Amino acid sequence: KQEVTQIPAALSVPEGENLVLNCSFTDSAIYNLQWFRQDPGKGLTSLLLIQSSQREQTSGRLNASLDKSSGRSTLYIAASQPGDSATYLCAVLISGTYKYIFGTGTRLKVLA
Amino acid sequence: DAGITQSPRHKVTETGTPVTLRCHQTENHRYMYWYRQDPGHGLRLIHYSYGVKDTDKGEVSDGYSVSRSKTEDFLLTLESATSSQTSVYFCAISAPEREAFTGELFFGEGSRLTVL
Repeated sequence: KQEVTQIPAALSVPEGENLVLNCSFTDSAIYNLQWFRQDPGKGLTSLLLIQSSQREQTSGRLNASLDKSSGRSTLYIAASQPGDSATYLCAVLISGTYKYIFGTGTRLKVLA
Repeated sequence: DAGITQSPRHKVTETGTPVTLRCHQTENHRYMYWYRQDPGHGLRLIHYSYGVKDTDKGEVSDGYSVSRSKTEDFLLTLESATSSQTSVYFCAISAPEREAFTGELFFGEGSRLTVL
């Protein structure tokens, strides 16, 4: 059974710091991995999508990497800002299915 | 914005009453999903649909039913609501028709349900 874990559950950093959020999964048979951002009381916003054949994706100050063989993905946020404060979730799409498995998220707070 | 509308956005009901949540999409995506989000459990799949009238159960389907009579609408029904179904419910879509499948998932804004 696929399990997705995100550590740490919460993180507080000063503004301007570069940071890394971690996502690990137990079964490498995935179609893709997606990172989301969720603000309080809101839905999930897609940040980056990495297909299983890819190693990384970049969007602005965000860079996500994928190592399928070790079951790990990282989301790198450069020069963090208070506006980056949110919960970040990762999800994997299980190969051969339409099912996504989510991690429980990392709650990030960037202090001004 | 993926063009997903959930209604109602907020609802308070009493135990034992039926409740229907609606998800409407304007993006012509083939797959639609209902999730619930609870503290400590993250997002859990309730039901999903891979086409009109084609649905399947997720990991927490007990007490819920779904219907999809049109591509754009996916309904989630709680036949007899219980307090354990108090949660935030999210609809999601993927697989736009006539485009290559990437598996990217898009979410609605959520429906907050309180069962007293």
